[in-house]
Amino acid sequence: QLQLQESGPGLVKPSETLSLTCTVSGGSISYYYWTWIRQPPGKGLEWIGYFYYSGNTNYNPSLKSRVTISIDTSKNQLSLKLTSVTAADTAIYYCARVVDTEGYYYRPWGQGTLVTVSS
Amino acid sequence: QSVLTQPPSVSGAPGQRVTISCTGSSSNLGTGYDVHWYQQLPGTAPKVLIYGNTNRPSGVPDRFSGSKSGTSASLAITGLQAEDEADYYCQSYDSSLSGWVFGGGTKLTVL
Repeated sequence: QLQLQESGPGLVKPSETLSLTCTVSGGSISYYYWTWIRQPPGKGLEWIGYFYYSGNTNYNPSLKSRVTISIDTSKNQLSLKLTSVTAADTAIYYCARVVDTEGYYYRPWGQGTLVTVSS
Repeated sequence: QSVLTQPPSVSGAPGQRVTISCTGSSSNLGTGYDVHWYQQLPGTAPKVLIYGNTNRPSGVPDRFSGSKSGTSASLAITGLQAEDEADYYCQSYDSSLSGWVFGGGTKLTVL
C-alpha cells in the first residue's frame, strides 16, 4: 500500500526558500505523476505543480516563477522548492500521487506538513 | 476567486439528501475534462470520493454519487450521517491555465 510522508522545516523566514521532501513507501516513485498541493490555514486547496517520471513538469502559473519540483529515484523522494517566500505562503503542504485514468486525480495523499513563514 | 465555483456551505438533517454543485466554464468542465471530488474531514488530508465524474473508489459508500453535465457537476450524498460533516472540493483541469484547479470548497454541516 502506497504511503506518502512530507517533511521539512516548519518555520521559514520571509524572502528565504521553502524546501520540503515527500518520502514514498510501499511502491516506486517511477512511472507516475506526482504533485504538490497546499492549503492556507482555514482556506481552500491550491494546486502547486506536478512532476512526471519522464522529467516533465507543470506549475501553477501564479507560482511558476518561484517553484521547482523534482524527484530523487534513489531515495524514492519527491521534493518541492519555493523561493522568495512571504507570509502568503504559510500553509499546510501536501504531496500526492496522481492517478491518470479517467482524468487526473490525487490518491493517496500525504498527511501534510504545516509551514509557517515568519521572522 | 476559484476557477470552479462551489457554494461555501450546505446543510441537512441526518437521513436527508444534499447536493453540492461545482460550476465551471468552457475552458474546464465544458470542454469535457473530468471532475473529481474530495472529502476533507476536520484535521485530516483530503481523500478522493468520486473520480472521473461518476466513479467511486473502493471503500466509498454508495451514498455518495457524482454527475456532470455541460459546465457543471454535482456531488450527491443520500442518507446523511453525522460522520459526513466535512469540507468537500471539486477538481478538474483548465486549458486556459494549463493546469489543475480546485473549487473553493463546500462545508457540509449535519444538523
